[in-house]
Amino acid sequence: DIQLTQSPSFLSASVGDRVTITCRASQGISSYLAWYQEKAGKAPKLLIYAASTLQSGVPSRFSGSGSGTEFTLTISSLQPEDFATYYCQQLNSYPLTFGGGTKVEIK
Amino acid sequence: EVQVLESGGGLVQPGESLRLSCAASGFTFSSYAMSWVRQAPGKGLEWVSGISGSGGSTYYADSVKGRFTISRDNSKNTLYLQMNSLRAEDTAVYYCAKAGIAARIFDSWGQGTLVTVSS
Repeated sequence: DIQLTQSPSFLSASVGDRVTITCRASQGISSYLAWYQEKAGKAPKLLIYAASTLQSGVPSRFSGSGSGTEFTLTISSLQPEDFATYYCQQLNSYPLTFGGGTKVEIK
Repeated sequence: EVQVLESGGGLVQPGESLRLSCAASGFTFSSYAMSWVRQAPGKGLEWVSGISGSGGSTYYADSVKGRFTISRDNSKNTLYLQMNSLRAEDTAVYYCAKAGIAARIFDSWGQGTLVTVSS
């Protein structure tokens, strides 16, 4: 199974900050990676797929990059509604797996 | 508007069975793969099982293989998860998720149904 390791697991930031979250895969997965945002009590929301393609309706301050084993999710200017937990997910092969999550909190 | 709505969760004892349902609307159900994803209390997301649009292909996480069965009824626009031999570690919110542009990403999720396995 492909393991995904996210870092950091917790991040404290201020509105307007640039935030970067890293996801490392235990083996190469090309660009078969997606990112989700989860807010407390709500269902997860797809942000990015194919490592860097923005899902329709997602603000352009979100961006993704990477291929192979290392990927990043960047929020260019953190907004109040962005405080949430973020997960990466590999879609290279079954069983599908998620990273452990990165919780972004207000500093 | 795409909607998926889970039902069937509840409290069961270890070793018992439960069947979850997911009613879908707002899209051509048979054209999309579907999955179940769970989240244990205070934990992260865990993919559980997936099924192709036709129902001809199914996939499972190692943790549930042999105990859970995913199925779908395209005439009723409904996805199912039959869960047998439940264990305490199966306690989680179970989400139904619709595949997106690729079969293995999830672009619409339900609100989840809570399954609690406890004696």
